[in-house]
Amino acid sequence: GAVVSQHPSWVICKSGTSVKIECRSLDFQATTMFWYRQFPKQSLMLMATSNEGSKATYEQGVEKDKFLINHASLTLSTLTVTSAHPEDSSFYICSGTGTSGRANLPYEQYFGPGTRLTVT
Amino acid sequence: GQNIDQPTEMTATEGAIVQINCTYQTSGFNGLFWYQQHAGEAPTFLSYNVLDGLEEKGRFSSFLSRSKGYSYLLLKELQMKDSASYLCAVKQGSSNTGKLIFGQGTTLQVKP
Repeated sequence: GAVVSQHPSWVICKSGTSVKIECRSLDFQATTMFWYRQFPKQSLMLMATSNEGSKATYEQGVEKDKFLINHASLTLSTLTVTSAHPEDSSFYICSGTGTSGRANLPYEQYFGPGTRLTVT
Repeated sequence: GQNIDQPTEMTATEGAIVQINCTYQTSGFNGLFWYQQHAGEAPTFLSYNVLDGLEEKGRFSSFLSRSKGYSYLLLKELQMKDSASYLCAVKQGSSNTGKLIFGQGTTLQVKP
């Protein structure tokens, strides 16, 4: 199947600072990318959906000014957590869908390996 | 509203069969997925059902009844490595751009 990478795999930052997480589709063009957050022992919660070249659509309760999403190209989306606080500590996972390259199943979301964010 | 329910925890014995149920109430249904997730890792795709019936793939099978809003994942010949969380997810919207709504996940513990 298609491959999605995330960088960094883990990051520790101080409260009040900003952190950027990158999500890349390595062998397909991701026309749509999704960002999820997962707290310990909980399931994945969708934060936002982004289509290349368009503004992201945020789920209810997710602050768009705090979680900045950029999907400037078909292979890269970034999530920036601005003014991070300890309650933002979580596992952030991205996924992409597309029909090019090795993404031969239009209904399937290809998940990245996740980024563990710890805010101290 | 939208609601996806699955048991929180299940325990089974190595070599046995286990069935994990999932019930859902969502709008714009466009398929149901099952994922496996080990702690600290991303989910991995197991199955996808969009029509009623049973889909079999090796030791794993998945069933869907759209009229009942019900699905199950069947794991046969359980192995210790099958200990993981199993996530039921419903797709809303189009195939390519539609979003996934996840259930809370079922933690399966396989014992010797």
